[in-house]
Amino acid sequence: EAGVTQSPTHLIKTRGQQATLRCSPISGHTSVYWYQQALGLGLQFLLWYDEGEERNRGNFPPRFSGRQFPNYSSELNVNALELEDSALYLCASSLYLAGVEQFFGPGTRLTVL
Amino acid sequence: AQSVSQHNHHVILSEAASLELGCNYSYGGTVNLFWYVQYPGQHLQLLLKYFSGDPLVKGIKGFEAEFIKSKFSFNLRKPSVQWSDTAEYFCAAKKNTGFQKLVFGTGTRLLVSP
Repeated sequence: EAGVTQSPTHLIKTRGQQATLRCSPISGHTSVYWYQQALGLGLQFLLWYDEGEERNRGNFPPRFSGRQFPNYSSELNVNALELEDSALYLCASSLYLAGVEQFFGPGTRLTVL
Repeated sequence: AQSVSQHNHHVILSEAASLELGCNYSYGGTVNLFWYVQYPGQHLQLLLKYFSGDPLVKGIKGFEAEFIKSKFSFNLRKPSVQWSDTAEYFCAAKKNTGFQKLVFGTGTRLLVSP
């Protein structure tokens, strides 16, 4: 069974540009989660999509947005990039049931210059 | 605000030493608890989880954790660590209602010397 996949592996942008990160969940999983893993800060929850709807959002500005497609894959968009957006962005997927574990992808390393 | 605290940021042990990593959460009510591990160059993966029932949970690779409700704690333990346990360990918690997000601690980097 294929795991969660993310693309691209690395992304280099300059300040003010937009970044688009993509995630494909495990087959059968309807929920997709996005996290930011910045150095020394652990994983910070960004967004949760289930059945195409945004279900929960972390404490991030509106320039962090995303969507979930009918095939349950998801896209994270970061507009007006700032230097502090440099981080590893992790996607996870799960079945939607309260308390089930999330399965993580390898991440996209975003560097903002 | 809901939060998860991990007391140790860096831990260095020799092989065969015992391990205990602390984790406290700030939630009230029913909570689901997790320990995830990130080995060097690998994905984050689940070590163990607690939903209900026996507060002593067994996970993969000889790890276990104990849920102590009165202390809001979910500490991770292993009686005898191996060099291959070198990794970063994350505790996480989630309220068991509706669309509640999973909140992670800041992680503990464990280095096991051979």
